[in-house]
Amino acid sequence: QVQLVESGGGVVQPGRSLRLSCVASGFTFRSYGMHWVRQGPGKGLEWVAVISNDGNTKYYADSVKGRFTISRDNSKNTLYLQMNSLRAEDTAMYYCTGPVSSDYWGQGTLVTVSS
Amino acid sequence: EIVLTQSPGTLSLSPGERAALSCRASQSISSNYLAWYQQKPGQAPRLLIYGASSRATGIPDRFSGSGSGTDFTLTISRLEPEDFAVYYCQQYGNSPYTFGQGTKLEIK
Repeated sequence: QVQLVESGGGVVQPGRSLRLSCVASGFTFRSYGMHWVRQGPGKGLEWVAVISNDGNTKYYADSVKGRFTISRDNSKNTLYLQMNSLRAEDTAMYYCTGPVSSDYWGQGTLVTVSS
Repeated sequence: EIVLTQSPGTLSLSPGERAALSCRASQSISSNYLAWYQQKPGQAPRLLIYGASSRATGIPDRFSGSGSGTDFTLTISRLEPEDFAVYYCQQYGNSPYTFGQGTKLEIK
């Protein structure tokens, strides 16, 4: 069955960096574009970034553009999110997801930005 | 950026009733790339509808999606106790792939 397992979350000070990972299994990872979606505490869903199946095309939400970088390693079935210059408002549960029509979602990894 | 506005913010209904949730876009959504999700506390979202009207795998037929262009609706024909949750729409036709702010469906 399809599994997406995120890791790398934790507590980090404002201005610092963190890298999230998402290991995929149960489907042909290299064939699909992948997304990161986040949800702040008590808030709604916010789309963060998408990467094409070959890694050549990437798009970002304005709120993270220039600070976050999405990437992937198809040989390792792994999606990444490099987060730099973190702010308090980046505090959220971060979900790795597959194509919209797939309903592939991980359980999320929690990032808390606090001094 | 396409802004999605969901209404109402909260909908109070009883089991067995019909629910209609609205999602309005600030500009036309290309190819009707509009999805609906259900989210319960402590869980990841669950895809209900994609392409505005296609039910995702395993979704009961009491859930249906309709609309095109800028106006979309999620209809739940007869509410079951497990349907009370928060619902989000998302457009994935143009980056950034924005979500609506959500509609909370609560038991009356």
